[in-house]
Amino acid sequence: DTVLTQSPALAVSLGQRVTISCRASKSVSTYMHWYQQKSGQQPKLLIYSASNLESGVPSRFSGSGSGTDFTLTIDPVEADDIANYYCQQSNELPRTFGGGTKLELK
Amino acid sequence: QVTLKESGTGILQPSQALSLTCSFSGFSLSTTGICVSWIRQPSGKGLEWLADICWDDGKGYNPSLKNRLSISKDTSNNQAFLKITSVDTADTATYYCARSWMGALFGYWGQGVMVTVSS
Repeated sequence: DTVLTQSPALAVSLGQRVTISCRASKSVSTYMHWYQQKSGQQPKLLIYSASNLESGVPSRFSGSGSGTDFTLTIDPVEADDIANYYCQQSNELPRTFGGGTKLELK
Repeated sequence: QVTLKESGTGILQPSQALSLTCSFSGFSLSTTGICVSWIRQPSGKGLEWLADICWDDGKGYNPSLKNRLSISKDTSNNQAFLKITSVDTADTATYYCARSWMGALFGYWGQGVMVTVSS
């Protein structure tokens, strides 16, 4: 299985630029997607295929990377962005998710 | 408008079978490329993909659950089903169904259904 590793938590200030990283145990090309999950809610697709913004998602979200290293950037961070963020690969079965990064306010 | 809603047994005892239903609207499981996937999340933990079923009746399963999973669909009634046999406490989680493109990425999610396995 492809293991995806994320930092467990990041503390940010509102208005700051933040990057959330995801490292894959093997190359997934650009078959990497990002989800946001707010407390008590279902996940929401933000970025697909590494760098494509899902319809309706604010342009302050962006994604980059290929191979094994990927980043999700939020610039600037707003209060509504405080949530958990998960990466997910679709290069191979089984589909796997990262452990999630909890974005917290400083 | 795409919507999905999960339903199923809320509380089970170990060794019982869990049956889940995903009722959806706004799309058809007969449309090329469309799949319905099941994903679960233990409280306070991460996401785990379980299985998916696609427009062509293709099915995928997470090998980590070995032969305990069975997925099916009723295209006419816009429903997908997941059965997990021989549950134990490790299966306690919120179970989500999601519409996926080719089983690859999960664009629309249901609100989830909480399942507790306890003796």
